[in-house]
This record gives sequence, structure tokens and C-alpha cells, in this order.
Amino acid sequence: SQQGEEDPQALSIQEGENATMNCSYKTSINNLQWYRQNSGRGLVHLILIRSNEREKHSGRLRVTLDTSKKSSSLLITASRAADTASYFCATGLNNNDMRFGAGTRLTVKP
Amino acid sequence: GAVVSQHPSWVICKSGTSVKIECRSLDFQATTMFWYRQFPKQSLMLMATSNEGSKATYEQGVEKDKFLINHASLTLSTLTVTSAHPEDSSFYICSAPGQPNTGELFFGEGSRLTVL
Repeated sequence: SQQGEEDPQALSIQEGENATMNCSYKTSINNLQWYRQNSGRGLVHLILIRSNEREKHSGRLRVTLDTSKKSSSLLITASRAADTASYFCATGLNNNDMRFGAGTRLTVKP
Repeated sequence: GAVVSQHPSWVICKSGTSVKIECRSLDFQATTMFWYRQFPKQSLMLMATSNEGSKATYEQGVEKDKFLINHASLTLSTLTVTSAHPEDSSFYICSAPGQPNTGELFFGEGSRLTVL
């Protein structure tokens, strides 16, 4: 069954603005991961944050994790039109247990 | 980085025929691969875990006789949709953990199946 739930389901912003997406989950995890999917393509791994970490950065990406609230956020700063994609969080105890949320469809308007 | 290749990227078939989708790890060995199904604007639903040299583990509600999985080598897993029907039309994606296993999954580009 699905574990992570993202919100919002869809987000439309102007180029240069920041985009924030949230993910909530229900059970214990070892790590939480964010993936990106361009329309009709496979998923690309963006960032992994472990359960004992609270924040992680990678380029224009910033991920936070609050295990007490069972939630995570993905912030994309200074967004670009090329950031237009669906973003999924995935949670689980191991690869066999990884479950994906419904995703946030981000549209960045040039 | 690890590369997973999936083939074909799209296929159209007639109802009642079987379709095979291949998932290959190109530059690493994958004793485990995962098969997902994705409907438009929806999330990935794990169908089964493919294990090299042993039987696949199917998720609840997934018909093992309908979706045959074979993991014959350390770099290849295949998903065969048998006696396909229009409701089997979907986007099928495979993934594999890299080596060493850091938790990250590497995905194929997906295969869009349309059953007429």
C-alpha cells in the first residue's frame, strides 16, 4: 500500500520562485528519498535523507525531515522551467519495502 | 552512476497476446529488481520484487500467473504480461538498487503498454 503522501498535488509557479513540496508518511522508516519524474519517463533519484538526519542540501535542493511528525519537505530554490516534473517521496525500511507517494506535479512557467 | 535500461519503451499489442518487457542493469549487478505499474498522474505501485535465481515476490493483489517475472541473470529481469487485455494498458517501470546498496534506487525509463 502507498505510504508517503505528498502535498500539494499540483503546484504552479513562476521561474525564479521557490517551490516547496511536502510529504507525510505513516510508519517507521530508515530513510526518506525524493525522486523526480519527467512526463513519460523513469524516475531519477534526487536526494536521500536518513532517519537520524534533519536537513540535507544538494545544489538548489533542500530537504528536511521531522520524524516526530512523520513528514518531510523538499524545497527547490530559484526554480527553472526545466524543473517542471512530478516529484515523489519514497519511504521504507529497505529497498524491498519502498513505497511512493502520489507525487506533486510542479509546473514552472518561464 | 548505475544505469538501468528498459526495453521496449513502448509497445502496442492486440488483446490476448503476451508482451515481454526487459530490464537490464548495464554497469552493475542486480540480484534484486523491482517492477512497478503507474497509471496516468498517479504514483508507482510496486507489483513484485524480482530475485535472481529464485521466485519473484508478488505484492498483494498482483496475479503472478498474469505477470510472469524471470530474473535469469545478475543483469536481467523480464516481466511478461500474459494474455494482455485493455485494462493492462499502463506504464511499467523497473528499478534496481545500486552496488554498494546506499538505499538509492536506479530506474529504467519505463515501458508504455497499450493493449487494443
